[in-house]
Amino acid sequence: EDQVTQSPEALRLQEGESSSLNCSYTVSGLRGLFWYRQDPGKGPEFLFTLYSAGEEKEKERLKATLTKKESFLHITAPKPEDSATYLCAVQAGNTDKLIFGTGTRLQVFP
Amino acid sequence: GAGVSQSPSNKVTEKGKDVELRCDPISGHTALYWYRQRLGQGLEFLIYFQGNSAPDKSGLPSDRFSAERTGESVSTLTIQRTQQEDSAVYLCASSVSGSPPYEQYFGPGTRLTVT
Repeated sequence: EDQVTQSPEALRLQEGESSSLNCSYTVSGLRGLFWYRQDPGKGPEFLFTLYSAGEEKEKERLKATLTKKESFLHITAPKPEDSATYLCAVQAGNTDKLIFGTGTRLQVFP
Repeated sequence: GAGVSQSPSNKVTEKGKDVELRCDPISGHTALYWYRQRLGQGLEFLIYFQGNSAPDKSGLPSDRFSAERTGESVSTLTIQRTQQEDSAVYLCASSVSGSPPYEQYFGPGTRLTVT
């Protein structure tokens, strides 16, 4: 069964304290791995798509990487406005649906 | 441009009543998805429409759930005889197409509370 696991469940950082969020997956035929940001009471906001192992993408303080078993979302020198839940999802096999992890709730304190 | 819109934003209903949730996708997007997000849980796929193809209904949890889409525009998710376990946020997403993997853009969701 296709599965996505995110860790940690929650992460508290001081402003400027860099860290990484993990997304491990077990799927048959990965077609794409997606990262989203979700603020309270809102729908997920698209951040990145990664297609193959070794790929990396960056956006401001965020950098996403992908291996054959997991993806990392690196946050460099975070700011309080980076506080949100970060969701990882995969698209696999011959289906177009996304399979989501349960997310990492990030809090950045000034 | 305009994003995905959903209505209502909140819905409170009594157990046993039917509810209809609406989704307006981004113009030009042929693929439309419905997901459910229960408190403290990940998003759960419900149903997927792609153009004129038969919808993928594999995620619908019971026959009380159904959805329709008119062409490549509005979709309606209907829940009949609502139960308390149906309480969740229902999210709609659209993408340019179903393949190759394209990012899905989400609406703000409809928060359904069954009392």
